[in-house]
Amino acid sequence: AQSVTQPDIHITVSEGASLELRCNYSYGATPYLFWYVQSPGQGLQLLLKYFSGDTLVQGIKGFEAEFKRSQSSFNLRKPSVHWSDAAEYFCAVGAPGNQFYFGTGTSLTVIP
Amino acid sequence: KAGVTQTPRYLIKTRGQQVTLSCSPISGHRSVSWYQQTPGQGLQFLFEYFSETQRNKGNFPGRFSGRQFSNSRSEMNVSTLELGDSALYLCASSLNRGSPNEKLFFGSGTQLSVL
Repeated sequence: AQSVTQPDIHITVSEGASLELRCNYSYGATPYLFWYVQSPGQGLQLLLKYFSGDTLVQGIKGFEAEFKRSQSSFNLRKPSVHWSDAAEYFCAVGAPGNQFYFGTGTSLTVIP
Repeated sequence: KAGVTQTPRYLIKTRGQQVTLSCSPISGHRSVSWYQQTPGQGLQFLFEYFSETQRNKGNFPGRFSGRQFSNSRSEMNVSTLELGDSALYLCASSLNRGSPNEKLFFGSGTQLSVL
């Protein structure tokens, strides 16, 4: 069965520090992987996606993610976090029929 | 181009009532999906509509239903509300259906509180 696990419920980082948000997936076929961000009171916005090819994908707002098939992981990274990055982050795997499986999210707090 | 519009933004209902939520997708988008978001559960897929047909359904009871109109606008209905139905209901639209690499565009959601 398809599923996504985000082991970290909440992460706090200092502004300017690096960030890594973890995501593990379970999917029988080639995964289509996504990272979305949700700001308070807003819907979700796509940060980046992976379908095939280069396992390191670049997204918006300076984010990148690396697909590691051997570890069933798709971790999100950013070299230097800005205060505006504080939000909820969701990892998702896409399945046929436009059904997406989301993780439970990681809440990011950025301290000055 | 206008984004995905969900109305109303907030709803307060009591147990046993029913509720209808509305979603207007981005112009030209034909697929509309609905998700329930609760703290600790993340987003859970409710159903997806394409060209007025429900093509996929998540693991929710029959009290949750939906429909899509010819202009791609969609409504979601929940009957006999329970306290556990309190959640943020998100609608997402995309151009086509069936492809697992679709980019979803989300609305801001309808926050439903059941008292």
